[in-house]
Amino acid sequence: DQQVKQNSPSLSVQEGRISILNCDYTNSMFDYFLWYKKYPAEGPTFLISISSIKDKNEDGRFTVFLNKSAKHLSLHIVPSQPGDSAVYFCAASDSGAGSYQLTFGKGTKLSVIP
Amino acid sequence: DVKVTQSSRYLVKRTGEKVFLECVQDMDHENMFWYRQDPGLGLRLIYFSYDVKMKEKGDIPEGYSVSREKKERFSLILESASTNQTSMYLCASSLRQYNQPQHFGDGTRLSIL
Repeated sequence: DQQVKQNSPSLSVQEGRISILNCDYTNSMFDYFLWYKKYPAEGPTFLISISSIKDKNEDGRFTVFLNKSAKHLSLHIVPSQPGDSAVYFCAASDSGAGSYQLTFGKGTKLSVIP
Repeated sequence: DVKVTQSSRYLVKRTGEKVFLECVQDMDHENMFWYRQDPGLGLRLIYFSYDVKMKEKGDIPEGYSVSREKKERFSLILESASTNQTSMYLCASSLRQYNQPQHFGDGTRLSIL
């Protein structure tokens, strides 16, 4: 049972345009959400997070939106750059369960075309 | 900056060998985790530890064990390596606080022949 789903395995975007990566979750108890970026042969790098008490968090070119009623979050990258080409993982946790574990999606490979 | 160091980037072992993967973090984090990453399957949690001498099974613990003798070091052990354990192994650490990100090492690409 996949609790965090990234339904698009891949996405291609022109340089300078907006990249939108989507993530859906099924566990309504999740209250903290994160995005990681992973280059080949490297470990995932933490990008941005959002707590369930907020619906938007921004950090430079990266913005994460959370829609709790739809159990959906998205990562917007504006403008997209070739260096953004990587696999992006969405993750979530349930602090109410007393857990520090993260549940990850399967990832979306973003290709930014120069 | 958090530094999570995995002892080997690439490792080749034979079926039936006992394999040790080492992970060290330098930020005094209480929590440490071992994942494996396979194409199309994302990151799957093998074992985790919230304190020295403490360990908990993750989603796919079969065929693995772990050791945490010191706070900064978390070892993953493949008791008798098999070809289906060929994978990318990732170690992570975090503070023992809610709503904190995990920080990852660069991974060990393990091939079992």
